[in-house]
Amino acid sequence: GAVVSQHPSRVICKSGTSVKIECRSLDFQATTMFWYRQFPKKSLMLMATSNEGSKATYEQGVEKDKFLINHASLTLSTLTVTSAHPEDSSFYICSASSPLQGGGETQYFGPGTRLLVL
Amino acid sequence: AQTVTQSQPEMSVQEAETVTLSCTYDTSESDYYLFWYKQPPSRQMILVIRQEAYKQQNATENRFSVNFQKAAKSFSLKISDSQLGDAAMYFCAYRSGEDASKLTFGTGTRLQVTL
Repeated sequence: GAVVSQHPSRVICKSGTSVKIECRSLDFQATTMFWYRQFPKKSLMLMATSNEGSKATYEQGVEKDKFLINHASLTLSTLTVTSAHPEDSSFYICSASSPLQGGGETQYFGPGTRLLVL
Repeated sequence: AQTVTQSQPEMSVQEAETVTLSCTYDTSESDYYLFWYKQPPSRQMILVIRQEAYKQQNATENRFSVNFQKAAKSFSLKISDSQLGDAAMYFCAYRSGEDASKLTFGTGTRLQVTL
C-alpha cells in the first residue's frame, strides 16, 4: 500500500515553455501533498504544501507564479513550471500523506521527475 | 525552527557487517516524529523506519533499528547484516506533531557496501 506515482519520469523542454508534472496517490486518498526539489547530491528542498481543495502554501523563496500547484482531488496534485528556464532544471519529487495512512505523519514519495530545460 | 544534522557525509560497511548512521536534531517541541528514508540510485525515496517521540521503545524493522535518545536529541540508524542493496543515500527527517506538518531533512549520508 501507499503507492505514489509521478508522470512524466523525465521531460526535456525548450526555454520559455511550461511543463506540467502529475503526482497521484494510487491506493489511498491524500489529504496533503508536498512538492520537493532536489539538486544533485543534495537533500530535498520543500517547495510547497498543498491540501485538497485549497491553495498551496509555498516555502520562502519559492515563486508562486512560476511554480503553480493544483490539488484538485484527493488523489491528484499537479506542479506546473511556467516559462521554464535552464536554472529550473532539477529533480522534482512529490509526496503524499493521509490521516488514514500510517497515522498521517508519514509521507510517501513518488519516484520523481527529472526536468531538463534547454 | 527545527534543524536536522547528519555529520557523516559518507560511510562504508562490508557486506554482512553492521553500520550505524548518526543523526541529531534540534527542537523545542515535545510531540514529533523522526524518520529515516533511503534513496537508492533510482532516486525513489523509501521509508526505512519511523519513531514517535512519545514512545520510549526504539523502533525496529527487520535489519534496521534505531537508537532514539530523546534527551540528547539523537536518532541513529543501525543496519545489521548489511547487504549490497543497502547502498544508498540515507536521509534523517523530523516532523512536528502538528497536523500536515512538513518534513525537515538532514543533508544525507551516502552508504557504500563493499564485498
